[in-house]
Amino acid sequence: QSVLTQPPSVSAAPGQKVTISCSGSNSNIGKNFVSWYRQLPGTAPKLLIYENEKRPSGIPERFSGSKSGTSATLGITGLQTGDEADYYCATWDSGLSAGLLGGGTQLTVL
Amino acid sequence: QVTLKESGPVLVKPTETLTLTCTVSGFSLSNDRMGVTWIRQPPGKALEWLAHIFSNDEKSYSRSLKSRLTISKDTSKSQVVLTMTDMDPVDTATYYCVRGTLWFGETPTHYYYSYYMDVWGQGTTVTVSS
Repeated sequence: QSVLTQPPSVSAAPGQKVTISCSGSNSNIGKNFVSWYRQLPGTAPKLLIYENEKRPSGIPERFSGSKSGTSATLGITGLQTGDEADYYCATWDSGLSAGLLGGGTQLTVL
Repeated sequence: QVTLKESGPVLVKPTETLTLTCTVSGFSLSNDRMGVTWIRQPPGKALEWLAHIFSNDEKSYSRSLKSRLTISKDTSKSQVVLTMTDMDPVDTATYYCVRGTLWFGETPTHYYYSYYMDVWGQGTTVTVSS
């Protein structure tokens, strides 16, 4: 069981918005920045969001990130069928001195 | 262009030691804030964080696997090596090496880390079976 908790699955219709949550604790999300990754089927994950809300070049504005307390949220607007993938949050844990990954959330675009 | 490429055996036997090599290009393993992380993913399951080596050669390990893992690097060869001892069929997975950016900041009341994995290798699949 992951230290960072994500919902196993979320779904929404094309064109709609979806949010994916990531819950941690004071020693990880509560203190440190969060990043988000997307893994399309059969491919390596890709960085979507870093430092809670920053997008690497090439990532569309419809992907957004936020953090409050010990939780973080990934938002995706204008959903497309191509967004169907697994999404993971990650951060550093100051107590463990190690990286952490969430358990992943499978997004279905209905 | 930054790339990372994993190499190693496709098949290992139970109880054997796995040695994986990550060869990087486009950045130096001595660059401040840049290190290499290993991640694995069993078939149909979630990603699992394994280990990270910092630019200053400090190492960090998953608490659950720490006793079995060793990460090291050869900066001159641009390579990072991960060894995992006592392999078991449950260790069957795709293993990824990733460039991990990690830096540390301070405020008057606390310190904080920024950590993210911005460039991923394609992964290498390892099967543990007799």
